[in-house]
Amino acid sequence: ETGVTQTPRHLVMGMTNKKSLKCEQHLGHNAMYWYKQSAKKPLELMFVYSLEERVENNSVPSRFSPECPNSSHLFLHLHTLQPEDSALYLCASSQVAGGVGGKNNEQFFGPGTRLTVL
Amino acid sequence: AQSVSQHNHHVILSEAASLELGCNYSYGGTVNLFWYVQYPGQHLQLLLKYFSGDPLVKGIKGFEAEFIKSKFSFNLRKPSVQWSDTAEYFCAVNAGGSARQLTFGSGTQLTVLP
Repeated sequence: ETGVTQTPRHLVMGMTNKKSLKCEQHLGHNAMYWYKQSAKKPLELMFVYSLEERVENNSVPSRFSPECPNSSHLFLHLHTLQPEDSALYLCASSQVAGGVGGKNNEQFFGPGTRLTVL
Repeated sequence: AQSVSQHNHHVILSEAASLELGCNYSYGGTVNLFWYVQYPGQHLQLLLKYFSGDPLVKGIKGFEAEFIKSKFSFNLRKPSVQWSDTAEYFCAVNAGGSARQLTFGSGTQLTVLP
């Protein structure tokens, strides 16, 4: 496997379910990100992890819970979601988080998980 | 907070037409600028990037973009589009005040008619 992989690619869940999204990067990067992509809206940054430490949390509801056990893996735990949470959830990684003017914060994206909440 | 505006939501062109997609951002300091492309059913891919130096940046597949600091713009261009360029294009900015954040525009859907 190369690049950034995400599983599952599609997920349908009820509002009372608990599920997890998984992201794995094979690039040796130190920073990982979760984004939400909804129709007709810009990509929304949800969380940023740098060296397994959460460094950004963009006012995301607590029903979304990220976990970064190591620099290669990132999870998004989901519970009691709402139908409006249906979207494409994208994971990305970069060599470092931050560093404007440098070349190491280019982000590489995974294919996303298409989530539908019934 | 930084923001990114893409004024063209949907652009329809015939093959061989020239393309220019607008991107403006709001931040007065140092920025990194990106254009990403998302082909139907595929994941976001980097088209080109600007970090510093020559403001005219060349990317993959014949695309280029010009950073005009005085206009806070980073417009994407291609002299002759192909049907295979049909995709959604996203401009993104990484600014000094919140360098960990990549702020995206809302995207421009490009449809190229054969």
